[in-house]
Amino acid sequence: KNQVEQSPQSLIILEGKNCTLQCNYTVSPFSNLRWYKQDTGRGPVSLTIMTFSENTKSNGRYTATLDADTKQSSLHITASQLSDSASYICVVSGRSNFGNEKLTFGTGTRLTIIP
Amino acid sequence: EAQVTQNPRYLITVTGKKLTVTCSQNMNHEYMSWYRQDPGLGLRQIYYSMNVEVTDKGDVPEGYKVSRKEKRNFPLILESPSPNQTSLYFCASSPGQAYYGYTFGSGTRLTVV
Repeated sequence: KNQVEQSPQSLIILEGKNCTLQCNYTVSPFSNLRWYKQDTGRGPVSLTIMTFSENTKSNGRYTATLDADTKQSSLHITASQLSDSASYICVVSGRSNFGNEKLTFGTGTRLTIIP
Repeated sequence: EAQVTQNPRYLITVTGKKLTVTCSQNMNHEYMSWYRQDPGLGLRQIYYSMNVEVTDKGDVPEGYKVSRKEKRNFPLILESPSPNQTSLYFCASSPGQAYYGYTFGSGTRLTVV
């Protein structure tokens, strides 16, 4: 069964500090991995998309890494800001039995930045 | 502005009263999908559409219907809502599948009493 597990479930850090969120997956066959940011009560917004051959990808202060061999990804946030307070969702894309793309969502890490 | 628009944002209804949640995108995307989000669970796909008049079930389709008569619109229909359909619903669209980012709507919080 395809699964995406994220850790920690929640995290509280001081403004200006760095943090790293983890994502482990068992999706096969693998197509790509995405990180989304979701503000409370809003729709998810895409941060990065990585394919099998990409090890790292940055979007401003957000850097995602992917190790397709160990099926692990991380999202590193540098110099956190209050606006980074949100849920961060790891989404892994695979192929269904019918050949179309199928997304498996993690339950997210709830990040709170305190001044 | 490129966006996915859902309406309404909030809805409280009674068991059994048919309702429709609308979804519209202005990006000429072929692929559209509906998800529900419940506490402690990841987003789960309800239905998706790969193009006009092409729809298929996702992981949790029971109790829902969809239609795709036009490329831009993908309404979600609950013929006889029940309390277990109380949830936060998201519509999303994408240019196609594989390595495309999904644009999500702002969500519809539905409460069925």
